[in-house]
Amino acid sequence: DAMVIQNPRYQVTQFGKPVTLSCSQTLNHNVMYWYQQKSSQAPKLLFHYYDKDFNNEADTPDNFQSRRPNTSFCFLDIRSPGLGDAAMYLCATSRDIRLRDTQYFGPGTRLTVL
Amino acid sequence: AQKITQTQPGMFVQEKEAVTLDCTYDTSDPSYGLFWYKQPSSGEMIFLIYQGSYDQQNATEGRYSLNFQKARKSANLVISASQLGDSAMYFCAMRDAIQGAQKLVFGQGTRLTINP
Repeated sequence: DAMVIQNPRYQVTQFGKPVTLSCSQTLNHNVMYWYQQKSSQAPKLLFHYYDKDFNNEADTPDNFQSRRPNTSFCFLDIRSPGLGDAAMYLCATSRDIRLRDTQYFGPGTRLTVL
Repeated sequence: AQKITQTQPGMFVQEKEAVTLDCTYDTSDPSYGLFWYKQPSSGEMIFLIYQGSYDQQNATEGRYSLNFQKARKSANLVISASQLGDSAMYFCAMRDAIQGAQKLVFGQGTRLTINP
């Protein structure tokens, strides 16, 4: 089945130690997104890639970066994780960015910062 | 600014009953899309149903239907014949051209619990 895959499902890192989260998709969608969801809150968009074009949300901290080496893969890099970065990180994809284009989410990576 | 409001933090429903989850939205853009997602405790966001602002009919997908009242700016999700597996967090979300069609803005969610 075509899907969005995230690895790992659970990630534990130490304060200040760089961490990379991975997302892959078999849907061949043009757009890939990264959302941050803190406990008991709604997901919040960090950035998205439209094909190779990177689009950062204005309020996304510089500590968060992303790479998309090809259509299928997208990575979220947290350069120096703080305790406040502990959250669920959700990757999503959509065919395009028209209003009707549904975003399909992966299972998420739950990040713990010690 | 774009805003989504879900006024029910939690709901408890008996199995097999129908349930309505409320969602109101605010946008000045006449062109927008409304989405409902289900998030079980495992964390994955599962797409349920979509309604476009210009769609003439209310959207339906199996046991899910959307009660879209454009003048009231509401887009309530109706689940018919609820099942134990429907217990989850439910999010209403919207995207419009003003905020950028890439941006899916979510409400705070409603936690639905189905009792046997």
